[in-house]
Amino acid sequence: EVQLVESGGGLVKPGGSLRLSCAGSGFTFSNYAMNWVRQAPGKGLEWVSFITSDGTYSYYADSVKGRITISRDNAKNALHLQMNSLRVEDTAVYYCARVRGSLSDFWGQGTLVTVSS
Amino acid sequence: EIVLTQSPGTLSLSPGERATLSCRASQSVSSISLAWYQQKPGQAPRLLIYGASSRATDIPDRFSGSGSGTDFTLTISSLEPEDFVVYYCHQHLTSPYTFGQGTKLEIK
Repeated sequence: EVQLVESGGGLVKPGGSLRLSCAGSGFTFSNYAMNWVRQAPGKGLEWVSFITSDGTYSYYADSVKGRITISRDNAKNALHLQMNSLRVEDTAVYYCARVRGSLSDFWGQGTLVTVSS
Repeated sequence: EIVLTQSPGTLSLSPGERATLSCRASQSVSSISLAWYQQKPGQAPRLLIYGASSRATDIPDRFSGSGSGTDFTLTISSLEPEDFVVYYCHQHLTSPYTFGQGTKLEIK
């Protein structure tokens, strides 16, 4: 059974940092690219970042570029999102998603990040 | 950036009725790069349709997708009670990958 489990969310002050993780199981993690997608409370979905299966290439939404870094450790079946200089508008549930081609075909249950003073 | 506009924002129907949800793109999207997701309250999005018209694994055949270019449609042939949730279209043709703002299906 495919599983993606996010962790690392929590309450952080504006300007602070947080590192999210996503643990994959039930599939060959190193064969798949991965996405992070977020959803602000009561709002729609926003793509955040993409990383290739081997970690060579990554892409970011303009809203997070320069503040967020995606990475992965295929030996540990883990995906990470390092978030710095956090803003109130970064408050959201952050989902990791397995990517087939460029399609997010399976999503984790998400982890909530709240940026507030 | 490709902007996806979904209509209507909210659709009020009764169980057993047919639902037609629209997604319009600001520029042409290859059909292979258009998907639909269903999201139930408190849950992650679930892939319904990929390649504009192919059903994902375990998706009932009352769900169907169609369209090309800039106009795409998700149709639910006969609504079940569990279908009254939110639906998003999504283009993964070019970065930044974008989603529509969602259509909420509510019971009339």
